Amino acid sequence: DAGITQSPRHKVTETGTPVTLRCHQTENHRYMYWYRQDPGHGLRLIHYSYGVKDTDKGEVSDGYSVSRSKTEDFLLTLESATSSQTSVYFCAGAGGPGDEQYFGPGTRLTVT
Amino acid sequence: AQSVTQPDIHITVSEGASLELRCNYSYGATPYLFWYVQSPGQGLQLLLKYFSGDTLVQGIKGFEAEFKRSQSSFNLRKPSVHWSDAAEYFCAVGYGGSQGNLIFGKGTKLSVKP
Repeated sequence: DAGITQSPRHKVTETGTPVTLRCHQTENHRYMYWYRQDPGHGLRLIHYSYGVKDTDKGEVSDGYSVSRSKTEDFLLTLESATSSQTSVYFCAGAGGPGDEQYFGPGTRLTVT
Repeated sequence: AQSVTQPDIHITVSEGASLELRCNYSYGATPYLFWYVQSPGQGLQLLLKYFSGDTLVQGIKGFEAEFKRSQSSFNLRKPSVHWSDAAEYFCAVGYGGSQGNLIFGKGTKLSVKP
């Protein structure tokens, strides 16, 4: 969905450095989600937001934090990147609980 | 705990043949059900969804899926596969009170032989 963009699209970083991934949406989705995708695991939910400044943890939240200061932007921060956080990260948005989620193009993160 | 199982990791079909991708879920009540498709290097695109009502759901690109409560299944079908259908397919389940969180299966990769 062109209404959700992610930046950067690719990033290589070193172990121990902080990293922030940005998700921007123009669809006025109330709900936003961060997933990671790894071979053999499908998509796993990291954190989600159900409104501005309202966030909660997902299945694999350790080592990650999020912030949502306005409807359009949902930031994912890796506080101190580790090699196990090498993955493809997807952002998604939805109008409400149970609605279909619309996905961004993904960010490929490599932690060396 | 709720879960989604896609038993087939990889399926190969010939172009023009029919296709069925399996999805089973574990949940006590009727969930929301989705199928997504992911082409290489791309995000996920919604193919179809089931919330309630008619158990046979039509989606985009000629796909359909049937919800079978007795089997806890939501299998995806297409009568005639095209080479452009080669991709990875994900079944997802959502449920009331979950804040819209979806549980995804691990995916089925579809290859299409000419």
